[in-house]
Amino acid sequence: QVHLEQSGPELKKPGASVRISCKTSGYTFTNYYLHWVRQAPGQGLEWMAIINPSTGASDYAQQFQGRLTVTRDTSTSTVYMDLNSLRSEDSAIYYCTRVTTPATIVGGWFDPWGQGTLVTVSS
Amino acid sequence: SYVVTQPPSVSVAPGQTATISCGGKDIGSKTVNWYRQRPGQAPEVIIHYDRDRPSGIPARISGSNSGNTATLTITGVEGGDEADYYCQVWDVSREQPVFGGGTKLTAL
Repeated sequence: QVHLEQSGPELKKPGASVRISCKTSGYTFTNYYLHWVRQAPGQGLEWMAIINPSTGASDYAQQFQGRLTVTRDTSTSTVYMDLNSLRSEDSAIYYCTRVTTPATIVGGWFDPWGQGTLVTVSS
Repeated sequence: SYVVTQPPSVSVAPGQTATISCGGKDIGSKTVNWYRQRPGQAPEVIIHYDRDRPSGIPARISGSNSGNTATLTITGVEGGDEADYYCQVWDVSREQPVFGGGTKLTAL
């Protein structure tokens, strides 16, 4: 079955960078766009980015432009999210998730989701 | 950018019917997905394409979408339905998903 396995929790100081991985399995990696969504404590879901695993092309929510980079490694079917210049407001659970419709930027729904990665930014 | 609005909270007595709205300009022309997020868990889809249920989701959970409001309806609310619920649509012009702010369902 389709599965997304994320890397473990991170504790970072303000100004540092964090890298989270999302290893996929159970399907053809290059056929489905992957997204990153985060959730601050007690808050809702915030979309961050999308990547086309086939080409590596990505797009980012405006509030993260210049600070966020999403890449992929087709040899390991893994997607990476790098967020730099961390501040306390970046403390959140970060999720990777896949759309259900192959080769489609818009449409379908998100399923499955990774288990989430807690990032804590604190001095 | 497209905005969808949900009530922050809905409370119903066990056994009663809960309705959670998701408002947006002409949302009826879009397809709406609904996610349930139980404490400490990742979101999971419970309704897709306005009204379709994935396997394993009971028929007492249903969705509708018309005009400026999409609605998630849960009949016979149980304690296990207590969770946060999010609606999601696609902002086609920006090629990005849009989530509602979420609604916390409480069974009184």
